[in-house]
Amino acid sequence: EAQVTQNPRYLITVTGKKLTVTCSQNMNHEYMSWYRQDPGLGLRQIYYSMNVEVTDKGDVPEGYKVSRKEKRNFPLILESPSPNQTSLYFCASSLYPRGGSYNEQFFGPGTRLTVL
Amino acid sequence: EDQVTQSPEALRLQEGESSSLNCSYTVSGLRGLFWYRQDPGKGPEFLFTLYSAGEEKEKERLKATLTKKESFLHITAPKPEDSATYLCAVHFRGGSNYKLTFGKGTLLTVNP
Repeated sequence: EAQVTQNPRYLITVTGKKLTVTCSQNMNHEYMSWYRQDPGLGLRQIYYSMNVEVTDKGDVPEGYKVSRKEKRNFPLILESPSPNQTSLYFCASSLYPRGGSYNEQFFGPGTRLTVL
Repeated sequence: EDQVTQSPEALRLQEGESSSLNCSYTVSGLRGLFWYRQDPGKGPEFLFTLYSAGEEKEKERLKATLTKKESFLHITAPKPEDSATYLCAVHFRGGSNYKLTFGKGTLLTVNP
C-alpha cells in the first residue's frame, strides 16, 4: 500500500530535550515536505526537499532542522524544543514538480507534539 | 505578501443543500492551486489540482473551478459524509523556491 508513515504519532516532551520525528514514504517520490498545523493558523510549511541532499526553508523554519540522506526518509529534528513548537505535524511527499508545478501531495497521519 | 484566504470559515448545510466554498489568492506567478479534504485527526487528502484560469475539475458531488484571482469548490447535493475541513493551497514561484501556501480552511458540516 502506497503511504507516508510518521513516528511517533504522539509525543510529550520537555523544553530543551532534542527529538526527531521520522517520516518515510514508499512511493519513490522525490519531493518531501514538513508542515505544522495550529488552530487559527492553518497548515504552514516548515521545510521541503526536492531530492536527496536538497532541502530548502518553508515559511516557518526557525527551530527546526531536516536532512535528506535517503530518498524515502525525511526526518524532522528539533534540537532544543520549546513550548511554542507544540503542534500537529504532517509530513507529505509527491513526485518531483515538473514543468514548474507541484503534483498532488500525499500526507502522513500526523504527529501530535506537546512540549512542556 | 502572497496570501491565500478561504471563506467562509465554517459552513453548515442541510443534506441536499448545494453551496460553494471560496479560495482567493494574491500571488504573483500562480503555478497551481490545490484542494484537499481533511477529516478530524487525519492528514489532508488530495482532491483536485487546477493550473490555469477557466479550468474545471469534477469528482462525485464536488466541482472545482479557477479564475485569475480565486477558486470555488462547488458541492452539489451534499451528504453528511462530505462533512470535513476543506483546504486550499497555492503554489507560487518566489525566486528559486517552490513554496506551497495553504489557506486556513473551511469547516463544512452537513446535517442529515
